[in-house]
Amino acid sequence: GAVVSQHPSWVICKSGTSVKIECRSLDFQATTMFWYRQFPKQSLMLMATSNEGSKATYEQGVEKDKFLINHASLTLSTLTVTSAHPEDSSFYICSARWTQGLHEQYFGPGTRLTVT
Amino acid sequence: ILNVEQSPQSLHVQEGDSTNFTCSFPSSNFYALHWYRWETAKSPEALFVMTLNGDEKKKGRISATLNTKEGYSYLYIKGSQPEDSATYLCAFSDHSGYALNFGKGTSLLVTP
Repeated sequence: GAVVSQHPSWVICKSGTSVKIECRSLDFQATTMFWYRQFPKQSLMLMATSNEGSKATYEQGVEKDKFLINHASLTLSTLTVTSAHPEDSSFYICSARWTQGLHEQYFGPGTRLTVT
Repeated sequence: ILNVEQSPQSLHVQEGDSTNFTCSFPSSNFYALHWYRWETAKSPEALFVMTLNGDEKKKGRISATLNTKEGYSYLYIKGSQPEDSATYLCAFSDHSGYALNFGKGTSLLVTP
């Protein structure tokens, strides 16, 4: 149990276009989902916290108008990178916190975004 | 940003060797310490969630200890196997919420 899927696993897009990444909890309900990104040789860094039915909370330095997060249901959150630029190229990964759980977070496999 | 340090950065051991990694984290406002095992192209797999000072957890050949007063946790692997090869991540959460602050990980390679 506690499987989180993420789609796509990798994507290449042109500068100026937008890319949507989906994060789904397959066998549990997730009131909270988190979006992280990882640059080469760096740690996973939290971008935003998303609660179902409410606006996401963004970490300092993360532009909310550039990284649009929608958490419309207990099993789906999406991250849209708008007007992508090469510096947005990174590894994006989501996690979901089980509604009934106290501490556990379950991760998707991540999405490698390359902006050319 | 809460600083989480992991050492060593990478480790190469022979099959059958036992090994251990260190994770250090801020000792104030401690809430939970997580260990994950992350293989390439897969989701990070939760190994342990530890909350109490002195806690020790075990899962097969892997075990972990926690010292919240001094801010460190050790992960031990007994009799390493090639399938243990992965990156081991440690993450800390404070009282402010459930978001995790990650270290950079320890990359383990076990060769036959």
